[in-house]
Amino acid sequence: NAGVTQTPKFQVLKTGQSMTLQCAQDMNHEYMSWYRQDPGMGLRLIHYSVGAGITDQGEVPNGYNVSRSTTEDFPLRLLSAAPSQTSVYFCASARGPWNEQFFGPGTRLTVL
Amino acid sequence: SQQGEEDPQALSIQEGENATMNCSYKTSINNLQWYRQNSGRGLVHLILIRSNEREKHSGRLRVTLDTSKKSSSLLITASRAADTASYFCATDVGEQKLVFGQGTRLTINP
Repeated sequence: NAGVTQTPKFQVLKTGQSMTLQCAQDMNHEYMSWYRQDPGMGLRLIHYSVGAGITDQGEVPNGYNVSRSTTEDFPLRLLSAAPSQTSVYFCASARGPWNEQFFGPGTRLTVL
Repeated sequence: SQQGEEDPQALSIQEGENATMNCSYKTSINNLQWYRQNSGRGLVHLILIRSNEREKHSGRLRVTLDTSKKSSSLLITASRAADTASYFCATDVGEQKLVFGQGTRLTINP
């Protein structure tokens, strides 16, 4: 099992560009989520999904879109990148929101 | 604002000593989880304690939960250099969300 995979590992964008961060899991987990981690801020929940076709907002959803067309994939889309979105992004999956979360290795994003 | 807050923010001890870090939260929970993050890596689950449990052990880890005080503690006994990492507590806030605290940065000195 590959667990949770994220691509790319690193990305540099210019302000206003859009891009999609990919996340995939092979554990047949229903629950998936996206967090961003900034220095001194811990992890903040962006969006989450309790199953294919169902998504909802977390603490900091503005500027991000998600979709969940399959159980395996949960991409995060930045609509128009801003310097404030410079961060490390982590995707996680679990059987449910209150179960052990499995994290991907993260994507380090810099917006210039 | 964060549901869970860890204390202290940073902790530095000598190898072999015990390390204790605390987590306080604001609302009632179903369970509380502790995670470890090595520098530049993703988080790794350590232990989950349910709201009806008071103490749980896993190897050198001991977690306690006091729901009346809305607090939890993580004790790492006989620390090793490999325990150097950041430690986070995570709590459910209803609505199927899991919220993390800001973490405790633990340094084990040889």
